Amino acid sequence: KQEVTQIPAALSVPEGENLVLNCSFTDSAIYNLQWFRQDPGKGLTSLLLIQSSQREQTSGRLNASLDKSSGRSTLYIAASQPGDSATYLCAPSGAGSYQLTFGKGTKLSVIP
Amino acid sequence: DAGVTQSPTHLIKTRGQHVTLRCSPISGHKSVSWYQQVLGQGPQFIFQYYEKEERGRGNFPDRFSARQFPNYSSELNVNALLLGDSALYLCASSFGDRGYEQYFGPGTRLTVT
Repeated sequence: KQEVTQIPAALSVPEGENLVLNCSFTDSAIYNLQWFRQDPGKGLTSLLLIQSSQREQTSGRLNASLDKSSGRSTLYIAASQPGDSATYLCAPSGAGSYQLTFGKGTKLSVIP
Repeated sequence: DAGVTQSPTHLIKTRGQHVTLRCSPISGHKSVSWYQQVLGQGPQFIFQYYEKEERGRGNFPDRFSARQFPNYSSELNVNALLLGDSALYLCASSFGDRGYEQYFGPGTRLTVT
């Protein structure tokens, strides 16, 4: 059974700082991995999708890396802004199943 | 283009009642998945449907059921509601059944009293 852990659970940084969010998963047999953001009480917004054959994926100020063999992914946010404040969730998709497995997320607060 | 839509937005039900939640996927998407998110936790997988067939089922009791219609919209049904069913129910759509980016709707907030 896939288990996902995200560290830290919460993070508070001043505006403009670069930061890294960590995600680890127990079963390395994944098909792909998605990063999402969630604003309080809202649905999930897809940020990046990394296929299992990829090492990195970039979108604007966001860069996600994947090390499938060690069961780790990181999300790098450059020049953070108050609008980046949200909960960030990572979710690998199993190679033998269709579901996404989520961690509890990292709650990010960017202080102006 | 419209994103994934869900209805209703909020719902209050009493224990023992039945509820139906609805989801319309992004135009052209043939796969719909349902997730339950309890406060403070990440979403948990309930079902996936692709081309009107069930492709996956999570660890939820038989009180939970779903179906997908010819237009690819979907319904999630929950019978005999329990207090613990109170959660945000999320629907996600994707183009295919596996390997494609999943897009989530705004969710339906269900409160069971």
